[in-house]
Amino acid sequence: NAGVMQNPRHLVRRRGQEARLRCSPMKGHSHVYWYRQLPEEGLKFMVYLQKENIIDESGMPKERFSAEFPKEGPSILRIQQVVRGDSAAYFCASSPLDSSYEQYFGPGTRLTVT
Amino acid sequence: QKEVEQDPGPLSVPEGAIVSLNCTYSNSAFQYFMWYRQYSRKGPELLMYTYSSGNKEDGRFTAQVDKSSKYISLFIRDSQPSDSATYLCAITGNQFYFGTGTSLTVIP
Repeated sequence: NAGVMQNPRHLVRRRGQEARLRCSPMKGHSHVYWYRQLPEEGLKFMVYLQKENIIDESGMPKERFSAEFPKEGPSILRIQQVVRGDSAAYFCASSPLDSSYEQYFGPGTRLTVT
Repeated sequence: QKEVEQDPGPLSVPEGAIVSLNCTYSNSAFQYFMWYRQYSRKGPELLMYTYSSGNKEDGRFTAQVDKSSKYISLFIRDSQPSDSATYLCAITGNQFYFGTGTSLTVIP
């Protein structure tokens, strides 16, 4: 049973470009969560989704960031017009239905904005 | 006040020692308490989760929750060099909060 998969593992973007991060949840998991981790800081919750529905986006910056989890395919975290402050590790987690306390994380995508 | 506070360490112990890792939280409405282990440049790995006050054991690991004090702990018995990692506490109610992590080194 494959774990949570994220790609790419490393992503370099110039300021002003768009970044697209993908996450495929564990088999049988219907809920996806995105987090951002900066050095010396903990994981910061960004958004919680289930298929075709955003459950909670209270941690998502109001501008430039968006997330989706379509009926088919992976969940996508999209960052438009990236700035240097967006450089971080972005982790995706998934959980079974109604078990948000049982989140399993992917290996992360390390975004570097130059 | 942060929702969850965790001593960042670093913590360095000899192999075989008992390790105690701790977090405090602010909101008594939090329902579930989790511990994750994160190796350098890897994703967090779920170690344990618990709901109620008291202890929950899994091998060398024991998670303890004291809801009256809003205090959670993770104990590692017979610590091994392979336990060297950053340990994150996490708390969830309607939202999800992680501590900043405690860096642990177990010296052979």
